Amino acid sequence: EPEVTQTPSHQVTQMGQEVILRCVPISNHLYFYWYRQILGQKVEFLVSFYNNEISEKSEIFDDQFSVERPDGSNFTLKIRSTKLEDSAMYFCASSDRGSGELFFGEGSRLTVL
Amino acid sequence: EDQVTQSPEALRLQEGESSSLNCSYTVSGLRGLFWYRQDPGKGPEFLFTLYSAGEEKEKERLKATLTKKESFLHITAPKPEDSATYLCAVQPLEFSGGYNKLIFGAGTRLAVHP
Repeated sequence: EPEVTQTPSHQVTQMGQEVILRCVPISNHLYFYWYRQILGQKVEFLVSFYNNEISEKSEIFDDQFSVERPDGSNFTLKIRSTKLEDSAMYFCASSDRGSGELFFGEGSRLTVL
Repeated sequence: EDQVTQSPEALRLQEGESSSLNCSYTVSGLRGLFWYRQDPGKGPEFLFTLYSAGEEKEKERLKATLTKKESFLHITAPKPEDSATYLCAVQPLEFSGGYNKLIFGAGTRLAVHP
């Protein structure tokens, strides 16, 4: 069964360092998303991406964050200068249409020290 | 402000003991309501989509229903493998054209004991 894959599964970084989280969405999907979940809190929307551009972003997704689809298979989330409060599980998701039926990856746990 | 509230926060059931989880929402316009299952340390797994009041969807021991203000996830004769956190999410209908985001509730942690 097709699945969304994310790497790394866990990353520990120092505050102020840049981090890149990688995702391989399901191959025939056109819509890509990043969500995050701080431990014990709700899953929060960060950004959606379609047709090689951001279609929507939340207030959380400030200038420290960026997304890119560098080739036909990868979708990345970059955090330029990490803060302690960026510590969370980051989920990549994809869908074949712009509905809420999303396929999520298993997540990348980011720990900022 | 768009909001999703789920209750109870946690629910413990005996195997075979049926129950319901509640999701109440306030949103200016609803494009869709979605139920997901999340196992510990994993990403959410899609279960159901509901679009209009009165709609019902079923899958194995689960049935989801929708009214204008809330949704219920009914679990009939649950088994231990149904233990998970069940998340409700709404997709707002926004006139700005942004229709992609989901707003999640905090979830209901379900534990089913043999």
